[in-house]
Amino acid sequence: SYELTQPPSVSVSPGQTASITCSGNDLGGKFAHWYQQKPGQSPVLVIYQDTKRPSGIPERFSGSNSGNTATLTISGTQGMDEADYYCQAWDSNTVWVFGGGTKLTVL
Amino acid sequence: QVQLVESGGGVVQPGRSLRLSCAASGFTFSTYGMHWVRQAPGKGLEWVAFIWYDESNKYYGDSVKGRFTISRDNSKNMFHLQMNSLRAEDTAVYYCARVAGFAEPLTVWGQGTLVTVSS
Repeated sequence: SYELTQPPSVSVSPGQTASITCSGNDLGGKFAHWYQQKPGQSPVLVIYQDTKRPSGIPERFSGSNSGNTATLTISGTQGMDEADYYCQAWDSNTVWVFGGGTKLTVL
Repeated sequence: QVQLVESGGGVVQPGRSLRLSCAASGFTFSTYGMHWVRQAPGKGLEWVAFIWYDESNKYYGDSVKGRFTISRDNSKNMFHLQMNSLRAEDTAVYYCARVAGFAEPLTVWGQGTLVTVSS
């Protein structure tokens, strides 16, 4: 079955750039989507189809996807960005799969 | 506005059944695929099941295949998850979510409903 691997945690200082990776076999050949989830809240889509931002998502959120790795980048990270982040992709065999999630700490 | 509202969660004994529902509003429900995604306490997101807009395609995660059944009623803007033979490991918050296509993102999520399987 298809699997997506994320680092359990990433730490970043306020105003710096945070990068969260998501690895999967030939992930670059699929669309990667990213969701933000704050404690007690439902997930929110922040990046879709590798690089696109939904309406209302700040420009500091960006994404890339190539080879076996997709990356979510948050530039000028703010305290409000502290959350869990999940990557997700669709695979024709495994169908829908989420990464294990990355806890972003802003300190 | 676009909204999904789950209902039907609660405490249930192992081996028993429970039916979750998701009510949709603010969009043309009959043109979207719908997912159930769950999150066990303190854990990550796990995809559970999917139903295409016209029920022509239904898919299930390996952990629920054969026990859970997804269905929808486009006339009522609702879809459901029938959960049978529940296990302790099915304890989770269950979210419903909307999707426009197979490889498309889950763009709208409900607030979730908690299912606790315990004796």
